Amino acid sequence: EAQVTQNPRYLITVTGKKLTVTCSQNMNHEYMSWYRQDPGLGLRQIYYSMNVEVTDKGDVPEGYKVSRKEKRNFPLILESPSPNQTSLYFCASSLDRGSYGYTFGSGTRLTVV
Amino acid sequence: QKEVEQNSGPLSVPEGAIASLNCTYSDRGSQSFFWYRQYSGKSPELIMFIYSNGDKEDGRFTAQLNKASQYVSLLIRDSQPSDSATYLCAVELGAGNNRKLIWGLGTSLAVNP
Repeated sequence: EAQVTQNPRYLITVTGKKLTVTCSQNMNHEYMSWYRQDPGLGLRQIYYSMNVEVTDKGDVPEGYKVSRKEKRNFPLILESPSPNQTSLYFCASSLDRGSYGYTFGSGTRLTVV
Repeated sequence: QKEVEQNSGPLSVPEGAIASLNCTYSDRGSQSFFWYRQYSGKSPELIMFIYSNGDKEDGRFTAQLNKASQYVSLLIRDSQPSDSATYLCAVELGAGNNRKLIWGLGTSLAVNP
């Protein structure tokens, strides 16, 4: 089944404790992206990747890192999480920058206390 | 003016009726338009995309695009309670490597049995 697998689904952590949210897709998509979704602000792009070793900032990259060492994986790293990073996070992949539509992962609800 | 605007709703329709969801956008150069459905707490799911002026039909769903008036609509015929969700409009701006997907905040739809 074609899918984007994101883990964990729920995460509660403390301020400053480094964490990684994993994302993997099995559709051989070149384009992958991370979004956060907050009430009243909608979906906002954090980082995206056009291909292996090619990543770029989205609209809200501060406090986040990403890497793309393999085509299928695109982890999101929070080096020092803060409470304002409490949000619902989605990984998504697409054939071409979302031009043919995204396939989204099931989401990670992160709470930073 | 926001780049992609949607009425937040909630839009309430009786079961079996036609639900009409609207989205306006500000960039006249926009080429690609997408409708996603998002159930509460779940990830967005692509329903339809449309590139050309006019209508595009897929089952009970019809997307309507009017580039001159800068709006795109989604019609849901024979609405079912399972259609109750938030519907996100996304518009692709720019060209080539400068393409970017801009999201609306979504319209909440409630279909009443």
